[in-house]
Amino acid sequence: EAGVAQSPRYKIIEKRQSVAFWCNPISGHATLYWYQQILGQGPKLLIQFQNNGVVDDSQLPKDRFSAERLKGVDSTLKIQPAKLEDSAVYLCASSSGSLSTDTQYFGPGTRLTVL
Amino acid sequence: KQEVTQIPAALSVPEGENLVLNCSFTDSAIYNLQWFRQDPGKGLTSLLLIQSSQREQTSGRLNASLDKSSGRSTLYIAASQPGDSATYLCAVNLSSNTGKLIFGQGTTLQVKP
Repeated sequence: EAGVAQSPRYKIIEKRQSVAFWCNPISGHATLYWYQQILGQGPKLLIQFQNNGVVDDSQLPKDRFSAERLKGVDSTLKIQPAKLEDSAVYLCASSSGSLSTDTQYFGPGTRLTVL
Repeated sequence: KQEVTQIPAALSVPEGENLVLNCSFTDSAIYNLQWFRQDPGKGLTSLLLIQSSQREQTSGRLNASLDKSSGRSTLYIAASQPGDSATYLCAVNLSSNTGKLIFGQGTTLQVKP
């Protein structure tokens, strides 16, 4: 079974530029998560989708971050404009359901460096 | 506001040693607690999940315990091996019907041959 795919793996941009990340979850998984992991910290949930609907985006900086999950499969996370403090690894995870006991499977992440 | 803390931030042990990683959380009203492993350049892998009603879970050489009233969990690794070298993260879930996890900052473990 293929795992969670993310691209690109690495991205370097200058502040005020825009960037987009892509995630392809495990086939059949209804729930998709985007996490931000700053160096030396644990991941922080940015947004949770159930199919193509948003379940929780309480920690998403909506003035600059946006995310969508068209057709309830792939998802993109966009930052516009980027700030220095956005430098982090962006992790995508998926699970078959949205319950707390449903195992989340993580992708390898996209490492973003903002100069 | 729930906060999760892991001590120590880094740990280095010789191969074969038994070790304990610590996790503490400020609000005891959790639904479950999970331990994850993160290898460099890779995503997280779930190791153990303990429901709030449980005291411990075991998988192979790993044993996780939970004391909800004191806000603490430990991950015990028996007979450590170089392949155990990774960052270990604990995370709590506050509700049964959401997958939202609140993570600690992790403990980076190095097991020397």
